Amino acid sequence: NAGVTQTPKFQVLKTGQSMTLQCAQDMNHEYMSWYRQDPGMGLRLIHYSVGAGITDQGEVPNGYNVSRSTTEDFPLRLLSAAPSQTSVYFCASSYPGLIEAFFGQGTRLTVV
Amino acid sequence: AQTVTQSQPEMSVQEAETVTLSCTYDTSESDYYLFWYKQPPSRQMILVIRQEAYKQQNATENRFSVNFQKAAKSFSLKISDSQLGDAAMYFCAYRRLHSGAGSYQLTFGKGTKLSVIP
Repeated sequence: NAGVTQTPKFQVLKTGQSMTLQCAQDMNHEYMSWYRQDPGMGLRLIHYSVGAGITDQGEVPNGYNVSRSTTEDFPLRLLSAAPSQTSVYFCASSYPGLIEAFFGQGTRLTVV
Repeated sequence: AQTVTQSQPEMSVQEAETVTLSCTYDTSESDYYLFWYKQPPSRQMILVIRQEAYKQQNATENRFSVNFQKAAKSFSLKISDSQLGDAAMYFCAYRRLHSGAGSYQLTFGKGTKLSVIP
């Protein structure tokens, strides 16, 4: 059982480039979410999804797009990367009745 | 909106001693969950302990225990017999209890970096 898998683990982008951070889970979890972690800020919610075809914004959604076409996958897209998006990104999943969330191992993104 | 405050950006403890990390939160809900997550240098988010607000008994997991004061909205983590492997960033987090999309969102504090001195 792989749990929550994020790819890549590390990425360097130039300002203005686009990329997609991948998140996949094999636990059939309905709820998936993306957080970003910045020094001194904790983890902040970017976007979340309660099921295939349903997404919503979190606390810091600007500059990011998401879609959820399958239960397993929840990619996070940066359309035009900015240095302010330099951060560590975490994907998490859960389901009704499960109290805690399962986290991926994170992606460290640097935008230069 | 809920907020979680960790007022100690950094803490240190001697190996084998006990340390307490503080966390306060603000919510208008009566039922919710509280968590402590550990993040070692590997970056992995590891659940240390959780507390259901409707339970009066403080949660305990081996060397880790919490002091949950619902009226004061306080949720501190006590680590007993500290070990070198306890050195990490610790995050306090809040989650609503009731069903609905918002109930799965976690609100995190800013974290406390714990160092363990040999």
